[in-house]
Amino acid sequence: RKEVEQDPGPFNVPEGATVAFNCTYSNSASQSFFWYRQDCRKEPKLLMSVYSSGNEDGRFTAQLNRASQYISLLIRDSKLSDSATYLCVVKSGNNRLAFGKGNQVVVIP
Amino acid sequence: DADVTQTPRNRITKTGKRIMLECSQTKGHDRMYWYRQDPGLGLRLIYYSFDVKDINKGEISDGYSVSRQAQAKFSLSLESAIPNQTALYFCATSVGGGRADEQFFGPGTRLTVL
Repeated sequence: RKEVEQDPGPFNVPEGATVAFNCTYSNSASQSFFWYRQDCRKEPKLLMSVYSSGNEDGRFTAQLNRASQYISLLIRDSKLSDSATYLCVVKSGNNRLAFGKGNQVVVIP
Repeated sequence: DADVTQTPRNRITKTGKRIMLECSQTKGHDRMYWYRQDPGLGLRLIYYSFDVKDINKGEISDGYSVSRQAQAKFSLSLESAIPNQTALYFCATSVGGGRADEQFFGPGTRLTVL
């Protein structure tokens, strides 16, 4: 089983709509969780960390479910500029980051 | 601006050639990483270093070597390049200690091995 699994999509989203997606992780001892954003042919950049209590940053909300070993990202009021690939990232016990393949989001005018 | 830079940005080479990719950072971070990204496979860790002269293998280190002679530089070598090493290569850095989590990536090197 892959350490981090994501449905690559693409997720085609009308502008202004809400989109949500999950990723699952296999190591129950994982310590930290993140969402990174990657634009086409560019480097990944940290979007937000994911905390146990859930956290929100503007139109973006991240949730962690340790019991079911998944994290989620919700984007409200989608903008054209939100089109990107969103990488689920999990920090393992040996202090390394494991990356999912990414969820590709395409916001349609 | 504090930054992570990679050279070259693009490289086309032939099977059997030796290739070196360079990474430099002005962030003052102790930790540096090399990843490769392939379509449909996501980012995979090749090597990482937590300090000068500290070298650790990642999940796909075969066919690669690295050197960390200074805090600001981390180089990746392909001793004898092969076509399945064609990929997008990223260098990344992070702060050591308790705030080691966020990684900052360079712009990437697109390598094609013919």
